[in-house]
Amino acid sequence: GENVEQHPSTLSVQEGDSAVIKCTYSDSASNYFPWYKQELGKRPQLIIDIRSNVGEKKDQRIAVTLNKTAKHFSLHITETQPEDSAVYFCAAYTSGSRLTFGEGTQLTVNP
Amino acid sequence: DTEVTQTPKHLVMGMTNKKSLKCEQHMGHRAMYWYKQKAKKPPELMFVYSYEKLSINESVPSRFSPECPNSSLLNLHLHALQPEDSALYLCASSQEALAGRDEQFFGPGTRLTVL
Repeated sequence: GENVEQHPSTLSVQEGDSAVIKCTYSDSASNYFPWYKQELGKRPQLIIDIRSNVGEKKDQRIAVTLNKTAKHFSLHITETQPEDSAVYFCAAYTSGSRLTFGEGTQLTVNP
Repeated sequence: DTEVTQTPKHLVMGMTNKKSLKCEQHMGHRAMYWYKQKAKKPPELMFVYSYEKLSINESVPSRFSPECPNSSLLNLHLHALQPEDSALYLCASSQEALAGRDEQFFGPGTRLTVL
C-alpha cells in the first residue's frame, strides 16, 4: 500500500520567516495531495491541495509544489504568523479512496 | 451548509456500556468516513461508506459497528470497548468515494474516553 513520509516532525520559526514541510510518497498512481492543518482540539481543515497534473499551486501565503518524478511534494508558508502554529498533515490519495496521511509536523511560530 | 456535525462532543463510557456516535452532513456528499485519531498522530481510517453501502472496513474490531441509515447520517455503535480505544473519533464526507480526488470535510470529532 501507499506510504507517506513527512519531515520534519517539529519545526520552530520566528514570526515573519518561511516554513517548509516536505513529504514523499511511494505509490506512483497517487493523484491527489491535500494538506490539512489541525489546531489543538480542533478538526483537520484542508488548507491547500494539488493534483498530479499540476506542478505548483499558490494561495496567498501558502504554496504547494509537486514533483511526480521524485514522488515528493512540499508545503511552503511565507511570512509566518503565530496563528499558523498547528500540526500540519500531508496526505496522498491511493486506490479505493484511501487518504494516507503523513505523521504530521508540529509548527510553532514564535512572536 | 458546508459543515459536518458530530455528537456528542465528549463521551465517557465504561467497558460494559453501549453507546453511539452520530455524524451528519447536508452537502449532498455520497461518501462518508470514520477515522480514529490518537494524540499527536494522524487520523487512521476505520470505515468508508459509498452511496450508503460499506465499501471499506480497515479490519476494525467488531466492538465498533458502523451504520449508515441514509445519505446524510452516519453512526458508529460502540460496545465492550477497551481503554486503548480512547481517542478522538472523526467523521468526514466527500462528494464521491473511490474517486481519489475529492476533498474530505471533517467533523469536529467526538472525544471518547473508555474507563
